[in-house]
Amino acid sequence: AQSVTQPDIHITVSEGASLELRCNYSYGATPYLFWYVQSPGQGLQLLLKYFSGDTLVQGIKGFEAEFKRSQSSFNLRKPSVHWSDAAEYFCAVRQAGTALIFGKGTTLSVSS
Amino acid sequence: KAGVTQTPRYLIKTRGQQVTLSCSPISGHRSVSWYQQTPGQGLQFLFEYFSETQRNKGNFPGRFSGRQFSNSRSEMNVSTLELGDSALYLCASSSNPGQGFYEQYFGPGTRLTVT
Repeated sequence: AQSVTQPDIHITVSEGASLELRCNYSYGATPYLFWYVQSPGQGLQLLLKYFSGDTLVQGIKGFEAEFKRSQSSFNLRKPSVHWSDAAEYFCAVRQAGTALIFGKGTTLSVSS
Repeated sequence: KAGVTQTPRYLIKTRGQQVTLSCSPISGHRSVSWYQQTPGQGLQFLFEYFSETQRNKGNFPGRFSGRQFSNSRSEMNVSTLELGDSALYLCASSSNPGQGFYEQYFGPGTRLTVT
């Protein structure tokens, strides 16, 4: 069955430190990959997406993600975290003609 | 360009009642998807509509239904509400679901509380 795993439920990072959120997927073929962010009481905002091509994709708010086919991973990174980045982050995958499947999410806290 | 709008934003209903939620997609988008978000189950896909036709359906009971109108606006209905239906219901729109190369844009959600 298709699945998405975000191993870290909660991560705390100091402001200004780097960030990496992990995402692993289980699919028969290369899926389409997404990262979304959700602030409390808000909907989901698309950070970035990977469809094909360059495996390192840039998104909004200074985020990037790297697709590694051999590891079935699509980890999200940011070189320097800001307090406003505190939120819940969701990895999602889809194949053509199917619906988005989301991971359980990772809550990011930023300490000063 | 205005984003996805959902009405109402908050709703309180009693067990056994029914409820209708509304979603207006981004102008020009013809596909609308619905998701249920709960602390226990996370984000789960309900259904997807494109040009008034249901294209995909998630694993939810028949009490959950939806439809899409000719102007791409969509409604979802939940009949005979149960306590477990309390959730944030999110609507997402996209421009071209015919292939995989599209992203979905989400609305702020409708918070449904069933008492």
